[in-house]
Amino acid sequence: DAKTTQPTSMDCAEGRAANLPCNHSTISGNEYVYWYRQIHSQGPQYIIHGLKNNETNEMASLIITEDRKSSTLILPHATLRDTAVYYCIVHLVGNQFYFGTGTSLTVIP
Amino acid sequence: GAVVSQHPSWVICKSGTSVKIECRSLDFQATTMFWYRQFPKQSLMLMATSNEGSKATYEQGVEKDKFLINHASLTLSTLTVTSAHPEDSSFYICSARGQDYGYTFGSGTRLTVV
Repeated sequence: DAKTTQPTSMDCAEGRAANLPCNHSTISGNEYVYWYRQIHSQGPQYIIHGLKNNETNEMASLIITEDRKSSTLILPHATLRDTAVYYCIVHLVGNQFYFGTGTSLTVIP
Repeated sequence: GAVVSQHPSWVICKSGTSVKIECRSLDFQATTMFWYRQFPKQSLMLMATSNEGSKATYEQGVEKDKFLINHASLTLSTLTVTSAHPEDSSFYICSARGQDYGYTFGSGTRLTVV
């Protein structure tokens, strides 16, 4: 699976949009982009995933660039409960599911 | 939605004893289950992949004789840490992949070996 690069940490003001970037320049055509988050001492929680098109659900939006070499996870109105480590994972269905180092997001009151 | 139950949530054991961790998919059949280990302030490290009815595939550097994985049914996988030592203390997390290829994670097991 392709490797991802994410900033180590980010801050976001409560109520503002949190934009978390992810670079995956070696992604192949069949690999999906998944986003999970992990709140301290809990299992990872699924947020969203996509292949080529932008995706939106009740939690977040996923914007994938046209060349698919990078993506951005958008939390439209961050709350204190969104403080967590966010993992961007590029994955080929059927393969193992590997985690990178993730971005530690802190939502500030 | 899909739910994965992991038990126990925490366990303390004496050095040299074995500990079994269970991972169950409650409302779906898991064709594949993954086991991860996470040390403090680090990311999840994949230990092994198990498919129902077959032997687990271990990642490089993971001792298969120490970390025994059994996936006897489509809803249950177990990880047994044999002859545990303090360096095995960690947060162990399972994940189950359903037929729609979604990945659901358990809540994790905090293992402390004293």
